[in-house]
Order: sequence, then structure tokens, then C-alpha cells
Amino acid sequence: DQQVKQNSPSLSVQEGRISILNCDYTNSMFDYFLWYKKYPAEGPTFLISISSIKDKNEDGRFTVFLNKSAKHLSLHIVPSQPGDSAVYFCAAISIKAAGNKLTFGGGTRVLVKP
Amino acid sequence: DAGITQSPRHKVTETGTPVTLRCHQTENHRYMYWYRQDPGHGLRLIHYSYGVKDTDKGEVSDGYSVSRSKTEDFLLTLESATSSQTSVYFCAILEPGDSSYEQYFGPGTRLTVT
Repeated sequence: DQQVKQNSPSLSVQEGRISILNCDYTNSMFDYFLWYKKYPAEGPTFLISISSIKDKNEDGRFTVFLNKSAKHLSLHIVPSQPGDSAVYFCAAISIKAAGNKLTFGGGTRVLVKP
Repeated sequence: DAGITQSPRHKVTETGTPVTLRCHQTENHRYMYWYRQDPGHGLRLIHYSYGVKDTDKGEVSDGYSVSRSKTEDFLLTLESATSSQTSVYFCAILEPGDSSYEQYFGPGTRLTVT
């Protein structure tokens, strides 16, 4: 039973437009959420995070929105650039649980067309 | 750069042979993690460590063991490799801070079991 789901395996967007990536979770104990970006043959790199006490966090072109009642978060990238082409993973953690363990979604592959 | 290296970066082995993957970090982080990445599954936690000689299981620990005899090294062993363990393996570190739970990943080891 996947506790974190990314229902869109892929996304194609034109350069300069907005990319919107979605993530749903089922575990109400999750209270901190993260997005990672991964290029081929490299490890995932941390992008942006949000605590459950907030509903929005912004860092440059990247904004993460959290809707706790819907157990849904999204990542907005605007404007999208060709270098944003990568696989994006959302992840969740229950801070109170032992181990600070992340639970990941299956990933969304983003292709930004010039 | 979180100072994480993984060795080997690539390995091909035969079914039934033992395999050990090494994760090395240079910054004395307390928490270390081993994940595997498979298409459609994102990253799944195999084992993690919260200190020297302190380890615990993740969600896909069957067939794997770990050891941490020094802060800087976290070893993942496949006692008898199977084809289902063909995957890309990532090590990660965490040093929890105030409202900070980002894990940082190594470059990965691609393991093929024939």
C-alpha cells in the first residue's frame, strides 16, 4: 500500500510555461514534506520542503503548496526551463516516528521542450 | 556537496554470490540510510542507522543486512544475491536540525544480478 503517490508518471511542458507536479498521501501522521529532483545517473537532490503547519513555501522559481485536508501537495515550477527536465520525487516524513525515515512517491518525469 | 561517496559505482554479479556495497561520508552525520530505486516505486528504504552499531530495518529489508562499525562507513550486504535485487542503490545522510529533515544522497551504485 503506497502511502505517497504521484499519479502522473510523466509531464511535458513548453519552456517558459508553468509545470505543476502533484502528490497525494494517505498517512495523516506525515508532518513534513519534501521534493527531490533527479537527473539520470545521479543521486536525488533536495529541492524544497514544507512543514504541515504551513500551506505554501516558495524558493525562487519553485513553490510547494500543501492542502492538509485533502492530503495533497503540489510543486509549481515557473517559468520552466530545459534544465528542469528530470524526474521529480515527493517524499513525506513523520517527525515523531523513529528514524526520520522518508517515504517516497513513484516519481514524475518532466520534459521541458525548448 | 554532502561529502558522500559510494563504491563500487557499478557491479555485475551472479545469482547466489554475496555482495557488499559501501557508503562513506566525511562529515560525521549521525543518520545514514540505504535505499533502492526501481521504476514506478520511487526510492524504498532498505535499512538505516542512527549511530555506530545502531541500525534498524526499512520497508524492503528482506535479503539485506547492514553494518556500521565507524561513523563514516555504512555497509549494505546482499548475503546471496537474487535477480530481484537488480536495482540502483542510494545511500543518504541526515543531520536533523531545527525544522530541517532533508536527506542528502550519494551518487548511487548500479547493481546487476545475472
